[in-house]
Amino acid sequence: QKEVEQNSGPLSVPEGAIASLNCTYSDRGSQSFFWYRQYSGKSPELIMSIYSNGDKEDGRFTAQLNKASQYVSLLIRDSQPSDSATYLCAVKRGYGQNFVFGPGTRLSVLP
Amino acid sequence: KAGVTQTPRYLIKTRGQQVTLSCSPISGHRSVSWYQQTPGQGLQFLFEYFSETQRNKGNFPGRFSGRQFSNSRSEMNVSTLELGDSALYLCASSLDMDGYTFGSGTRLTVV
Repeated sequence: QKEVEQNSGPLSVPEGAIASLNCTYSDRGSQSFFWYRQYSGKSPELIMSIYSNGDKEDGRFTAQLNKASQYVSLLIRDSQPSDSATYLCAVKRGYGQNFVFGPGTRLSVLP
Repeated sequence: KAGVTQTPRYLIKTRGQQVTLSCSPISGHRSVSWYQQTPGQGLQFLFEYFSETQRNKGNFPGRFSGRQFSNSRSEMNVSTLELGDSALYLCASSLDMDGYTFGSGTRLTVV
């Protein structure tokens, strides 16, 4: 089992819809969870971080964390074509530990 | 505030040569990590340096090495280059439990 897994893509949604991206992780001791967006040919950029169970909202983005189920998700409301990118889930066990990235899910938002 | 700076942006090297990549982190960030990104393998962790010490290491051969200087700048070296080393090499800095900020990357092509 890979340490961090993401739903296989590509994921296509129409403009204005909600895009749902999922991530599961194997290390129950993980403490910090991040979502990155990577446009083609660019480096990843941090869009959300979450540390506690529950939801965290930032504009059109909502991150959800369930440590019992070892599951973290990212919802993008009112999806725009500019949201078309690869979304990477990253998990960190704790202080002094490195981040582990999932393989990414490619999202296409269709006009 | 200046971001993470990587140089050079592009490199073409011949098999058997060696290469050195440079990374200047965000001011105040003492943690610098290096990743290799390829289409097939995604983001693979190489190593992390913190206060001039290698704190974590990924599963790469000894041909891949790095170091960090007292000003937190980091270099990565790959010796005896192989065709399979062609990739985007990303440097990222962080305040440990916070998320990474990535540099623009160095695209290495080995011919």
